[in-house]
Amino acid sequence: DTGVSQDPRHKITKRGQNVTFRCDPISEHNRLYWYRQTLGQGPEFLTYFQNEAQLEKSRLLSDRFSAERPKGSFSTLEIQRTEQGDSAMYLCASSDPDRVYNEQFFGPGTRLTVL
Amino acid sequence: QQQVKQSPQSLIVQKGGISIINCAYENTAFDYFPWYQQFPGKGPALLIAIRPDVSEKKEGRFTISFNKSAKQFSLHIMDSQPGDSATYFCAASKDSGGSNYKLTFGKGTLLTVNP
Repeated sequence: DTGVSQDPRHKITKRGQNVTFRCDPISEHNRLYWYRQTLGQGPEFLTYFQNEAQLEKSRLLSDRFSAERPKGSFSTLEIQRTEQGDSAMYLCASSDPDRVYNEQFFGPGTRLTVL
Repeated sequence: QQQVKQSPQSLIVQKGGISIINCAYENTAFDYFPWYQQFPGKGPALLIAIRPDVSEKKEGRFTISFNKSAKQFSLHIMDSQPGDSATYFCAASKDSGGSNYKLTFGKGTLLTVNP
């Protein structure tokens, strides 16, 4: 399978704990995005990487959130001191800048539940 | 500020019928308009996309109609099938001029196709 992969698929944690999610983009896609989707809503942009550089962060990404893409390949999203409001689906997408359209391909997501 | 407004929120059609979902955007800088299909528990899958230099794009049973002056675009699903039952999201982004390419999504339309 050469699509975007995310791990874990589901995470249940207690309020106050730290969690980390991983995203592996499609090979050779140098653009990588994180989005958050709550129930009944469309995905909302969180942050964007081009290679290893984090070029934009949404205001939704509070100080408790941090994302990295250390070697320009996989990326991690960490949430510290989780809150119940962090419960959501966290989606990763990647795109190839050489294509005519900047088509973003999404992974299956990580469903986070904060108790 | 909701930059992409999508309607209807839900839609029920009979097998073989035409499903029509509408979106309106506010930001005239947007120049890329994709539609995504999402099944429960899965990530969004890219269906079809259009740029504002054309008024219509067709791929199989799926057609996007685009009205630049009205800042509206719509998805038409011809010969709707029960397997098309899913949530559909319109989105928009600024894809040129060194942008960050982030997608702004509508709130989604839950489509149910009855057999």
